[in-house]
Amino acid sequence: NAGVTQTPKFRILKIGQSMTLQCTQDMNHNYMYWYRQDPGMGLKLIYYSVGAGITDKGEVPNGYNVSRSTTEDFPLRLELAAPSQTSVYFCASSGTGEYGYTFGSGTRLTVV
Amino acid sequence: DQQVKQNSPSLSVQEGRISILNCDYTNSMFDYFLWYKKYPAEGPTFLISISSIKDKNEDGRFTVFLNKSAKHLSLHIVPSQPGDSAVYFCAASARGGSARQLTFGSGTQLTVLP
Repeated sequence: NAGVTQTPKFRILKIGQSMTLQCTQDMNHNYMYWYRQDPGMGLKLIYYSVGAGITDKGEVPNGYNVSRSTTEDFPLRLELAAPSQTSVYFCASSGTGEYGYTFGSGTRLTVV
Repeated sequence: DQQVKQNSPSLSVQEGRISILNCDYTNSMFDYFLWYKKYPAEGPTFLISISSIKDKNEDGRFTVFLNKSAKHLSLHIVPSQPGDSAVYFCAASARGGSARQLTFGSGTQLTVLP
């Protein structure tokens, strides 16, 4: 029972590079989310999806893109990485009618 | 503008005593509240929740209290155990919208001393 799986766990990027953070869930959840957590701050919503083919912006979407081609996968794309994107990124999912999320273990990203 | 605030970054409690973690919110549209627990290098895990139609919810050693008039909720852990040492996030969800987005507080680091 894997739940929500994120890869990679750690990554160092140079300024201007791009990368994709992978997220997959095996619970057949419709809703998926990407959050970032900066030191001493709460989790802030980047993007979310209510189902395959449907995505929408959250509180802090600038510099990111997402896609949702399947129910299981919700990758987060960083284009032209900037130091301000240094953070821990969490993917989460929830089922229809559920309030609680299941989170992945996170990706720690450093942009230098 | 932080809609969910946890004003205490850290809290230390002796094992066996009560831990009380506090959370304040400003958005009157919030109708569901949750507490998550997070260990280092792991994702947050759901702990307990409460609907705005209730003022208390209990699950074993964990109780959440909601005071709607004060826009305040608290998490009580009794008795506290060393394994409870973690960061605790308060989160809130507003009615309406296409997905149950959660707004998180900044977290409180709880340390339970043996």
